[in-house]
Amino acid sequence: DIQMTQSPSSLSASVGDRVTITCRASQSISSNLNWYQQKPGKAPKLLIYAASRLQSGVPSRFSGSESGTDFTLTISSLQPEDFATYYCQQSYSISCTFGQGTRVEIK
Amino acid sequence: EVQLVESGGGLVQPGGSLRLSCAASGFTVSSNYLTWVRQAPGKGLEWVSVMYSGGSTYYADSVKGRFTISRDNSKNTLYLQMNTLRAEDTAVYYCSRLQYNYGMYYFDFWGQGTLVTVSS
Repeated sequence: DIQMTQSPSSLSASVGDRVTITCRASQSISSNLNWYQQKPGKAPKLLIYAASRLQSGVPSRFSGSESGTDFTLTISSLQPEDFATYYCQQSYSISCTFGQGTRVEIK
Repeated sequence: EVQLVESGGGLVQPGGSLRLSCAASGFTVSSNYLTWVRQAPGKGLEWVSVMYSGGSTYYADSVKGRFTISRDNSKNTLYLQMNTLRAEDTAVYYCSRLQYNYGMYYFDFWGQGTLVTVSS
């Protein structure tokens, strides 16, 4: 299986901060990388698909980029509603795999 | 409006069985790829199974031979039959639609989840 290594596992940030989360694939997955946001007790919500495409209705402060097997989710200016756990997911293989998650907490 | 509503979770003893349902609305299950993803308490997300529109099915190694994904087109509903359940199957089970766009797949809609607890 393709392993997805996400970092950091958690971070503390303040409202207005720029936040960056990284995900590294164990092999080439082209641009088959998606990002999800999950709040406690809720289902995940799609933010970014195909590495850099913003899902309809998602604020433009969220963006995604890629460099080889490294992928980045950036929140340009953290808002109160952004405190949540973020997951990357590769869809290159049928047995898609998720990163272990990054919990974004209030500083 | 696209909606997915799971049901069927509950408490079951190790070795027991349970069938989860996922009722879809706003789209046709037979024309879409649908998946089950689970999340153990306090843990991350784990893909479980997928059913393609053509009927092909695939499973994670951890559930292969024990779980069966199926659908009822007349009820527009996806199912997950879970047999020989183990404690490590305890999780919230989500059904999700797998969308295809720009040559890539992604989970665009998710249900609210149903909790399965395997314990004696």
